[in-house]
Amino acid sequence: DVKVTQSSRYLVKRTGEKVFLECVQDMDHENMFWYRQDPGLGLRLIYFSYDVKMKEKGDIPEGYSVSREKKERFSLILESASTNQTSMYLCATTRQGAREQYFGPGTRLTVT
Amino acid sequence: GQQLNQSPQSMFIQEGEDVSMNCTSSSIFNTWLWYKQDPGEGPVLLIALYKAGELTSNGRLTAQFGITRKDSFLNISASIPSDVGIYFCAGQFGGAGSYQLTFGKGTKLSVIP
Repeated sequence: DVKVTQSSRYLVKRTGEKVFLECVQDMDHENMFWYRQDPGLGLRLIYFSYDVKMKEKGDIPEGYSVSREKKERFSLILESASTNQTSMYLCATTRQGAREQYFGPGTRLTVT
Repeated sequence: GQQLNQSPQSMFIQEGEDVSMNCTSSSIFNTWLWYKQDPGEGPVLLIALYKAGELTSNGRLTAQFGITRKDSFLNISASIPSDVGIYFCAGQFGGAGSYQLTFGKGTKLSVIP
């Protein structure tokens, strides 16, 4: 079974703080994704990576950056957290050539 | 990105009833995926569909890839309380090298014992 873990299930941060969300997968998948999920808006892609040190912007990259130094680990960085970044953040992975994405349990981030 | 139209948005059913939900798109997809999300958890993949007309089952769940490639359906038979959750469809435009999915906004299912 694919195992995708996220560093925190719940996180509370203050406006202006730098926030790191980490995702780790144990299936040697090449592709990793970060989404945010908001009521009424569904899942929106922030960034994805198809290889170590490679990244591509998704639909809503503004205010976020990512880092992928190792194949199994993909980090989402909020350089200066704002209240409108309060959301559920979901990491997903897929192997090269496959179409199914497998999700982690999510991190519920609250920025106050 | 483009959104899929998923319906119904929510539904309340009696335990034991069958459930149907669907997703439609104005564009063609090559893959349809169905996920279930429990409260506070990440989506879990239920069924993957790869070609038009395909009908696939997973226990009491059955999903179909529409012939037009623009829609997909998910049916749940004999619902039970643990079926409660939000069901999402997701479509992929490109071939295996195209990674991005387009998601529906979900169908929230409530099961009355």
